[in-house]
Amino acid sequence: GAVVSQHPSWVICKSGTSVKIECRSLDFQATTMFWYRQFPKQSLMLMATSNEGSKATYEQGVEKDKFLINHASLTLSTLTVTSAHPEDSSFYICSASGSAGFSSDEQYFGPGTRLTVT
Amino acid sequence: TQLLEQSPQFLSIQEGENLTVYCNSSSVFSSLQWYRQEPGEGPVLLVTVVTGGEVKKLKRLTFQFGDARKDSSLHITAAQPGDTGLYLCAGLNTGTASKLTFGTGTRLQVTL
Repeated sequence: GAVVSQHPSWVICKSGTSVKIECRSLDFQATTMFWYRQFPKQSLMLMATSNEGSKATYEQGVEKDKFLINHASLTLSTLTVTSAHPEDSSFYICSASGSAGFSSDEQYFGPGTRLTVT
Repeated sequence: TQLLEQSPQFLSIQEGENLTVYCNSSSVFSSLQWYRQEPGEGPVLLVTVVTGGEVKKLKRLTFQFGDARKDSSLHITAAQPGDTGLYLCAGLNTGTASKLTFGTGTRLQVTL
């Protein structure tokens, strides 16, 4: 149980375009989802926390107008990188925590999405 | 801002050797987790330690949480090539909406 998927697993886009990444909890209801960014050979940095049905809370230094997060249902959150630039190229990872038999403190991580902006 | 510093940053050892990875902070955490991440994949949870002084074993891996719940260590006995990966500690405070603060990471390479 507690499987989280991400789509796409990798994406290449041109500078100035927008790209959407989906994060789905496949077998549980995720009351909270987290979005992380990981640059090569570095650790995970939390970008934002989203609760179903409410606005995301962004970490300091993360532009909320650039990284749009939607958590419209208990099984789906999306991250849209708007007007992407090469410096946005990174590995984006989501995680989900929920209820109904799963620990609300434990985060279940997706496999990540590699974004390359050319 | 809570910071978790891991040491060493990079470790290259031969199969059969032992190693210890350290995770240190000036902040207290309600619990601490260790993850292993392989290239191009999400991190996979290895263990959660909750009580100060707690020791947990997972086969050849031994995890310890410091008495003051500010630091932790991961010891691997008789390392194998399959242990290769990025090891991340992450601190959790339940008062912050279950947000994890990840450590700086330790990249381990085990060669034959």
